[in-house]
Amino acid sequence: NAGVTQTPKFRVLKTGQSMTLLCAQDMNHEYMYWYRQDPGMGLRLIHYSVGEGTTAKGEVPDGYNVSRLKKQNFLLGLESAAPSQTSVYFCASSYGTGAYEQYFGPGTRLTVT
Amino acid sequence: LAKTTQPISMDSYEGQEVNITCSHNNIATNDYITWYQQFPSQGPRFIIQGYKTKVTNEVASLFIPADRKSSTLSLPRVSLSDTAVYYCLVGPVVDSNYQLIWGAGTKLIIKP
Repeated sequence: NAGVTQTPKFRVLKTGQSMTLLCAQDMNHEYMYWYRQDPGMGLRLIHYSVGEGTTAKGEVPDGYNVSRLKKQNFLLGLESAAPSQTSVYFCASSYGTGAYEQYFGPGTRLTVT
Repeated sequence: LAKTTQPISMDSYEGQEVNITCSHNNIATNDYITWYQQFPSQGPRFIIQGYKTKVTNEVASLFIPADRKSSTLSLPRVSLSDTAVYYCLVGPVVDSNYQLIWGAGTKLIIKP
């Protein structure tokens, strides 16, 4: 099992450009999450999904969109990147929500100049 | 939402036992206490979870007093590879609309 994978690992964007981050899991988990982590801080939830075809806003959703067309994939989109979106992005999945164990991907380091 | 408080940083030496305490005064009856470990440039990894008293696995022990207002993660005989950030979170196991709040964690540095 690969667990949770993220594509790409690194990316540099110019302000105003768009991009999509891909997350894939092979554990048949219903729940998937996108977090961002800034230096010296904990994770902040951007969006999450409780099942195929459903998405919901987390703590910091502005400037991001998501889609969950297939159960195993969760996409995070930035329509018009801003320097404030420079961060490390982590995807996670879990069998249940709340305190259920979350399995994390390796992260995507995004720099917006 | 239960809020947790843990030390910003700690350091210790190889071979020592390390105890990291987390305070969660507003923990709810159905909340569990969960600890994650995060190495640099990696995603967090689940370490241990408990509800009350003591839980032990091959990596760590978790001590929870009767009032559950705090918990202590214990790492026995640490090595340099235990240098990481450790997060304490509280929340229910099943609630479709509940999301855990991640604090800044405790940065643990192990010295030779």
